[in-house]
Amino acid sequence: GAGVSQSPSNKVTEKGKDVELRCDPISGHTALYWYRQSLGQGLEFLIYFQGNSAPDKSGLPSDRFSAERTGGSVSTLTIQRTQQEDSAVYLCASSLHVNQPQHFGDGTRLSIL
Amino acid sequence: QQQVKQSPQSLIVQKGGISIINCAYENTAFDYFPWYQQFPGKGPALLIAIRPDVSEKKEGRFTISFNKSAKQFSLHIMDSQPGDSATYFCAANLNNAGNMLTFGGGTRLMVKP
Repeated sequence: GAGVSQSPSNKVTEKGKDVELRCDPISGHTALYWYRQSLGQGLEFLIYFQGNSAPDKSGLPSDRFSAERTGGSVSTLTIQRTQQEDSAVYLCASSLHVNQPQHFGDGTRLSIL
Repeated sequence: QQQVKQSPQSLIVQKGGISIINCAYENTAFDYFPWYQQFPGKGPALLIAIRPDVSEKKEGRFTISFNKSAKQFSLHIMDSQPGDSATYFCAANLNNAGNMLTFGGGTRLMVKP
């Protein structure tokens, strides 16, 4: 079966532009997570969706970051007015249910010029 | 606040040797401790995980040792192989806080032939 799929794999954009990153979780997985991996900060939690519950946004670094999950499946992470410090690899993970192992995609490498 | 501290940052081991990576955590409420392996350009892949009710878990050449009183856990890779060369991350999870993972800083392992 397919794993977690993320697109695009690479994204280069100019400072100030908005970007959208997409995540397709493993089919049937109810929980979906976004993390950010950067050289200075390591792997950081951003946001978590579980079923139809309100997402846990406690890890989002600023109000320029938002995410949605449509139909309990695909998720989109949006960064508005990108800044150079947003350059990182954005990783998506999914798990069958809460408290089950998380499986990661290969990430989107975002570069802000 | 760095809740999971990982050491060493890098490790060089000869083929056939034992690789040992250590992690220490601060939050005694953590109750799930996975290890992830990451190759360049790929997302983290779950390697092995342990819960605090056991002191050791072994899967093939990989063993987790867990010391609840010391709030420490470690990964041992027996008979290390060049194909094990990757970055390893320990993590901890707080079940009643949304299941997001808190990661250690990572260890870059190189196994020399």
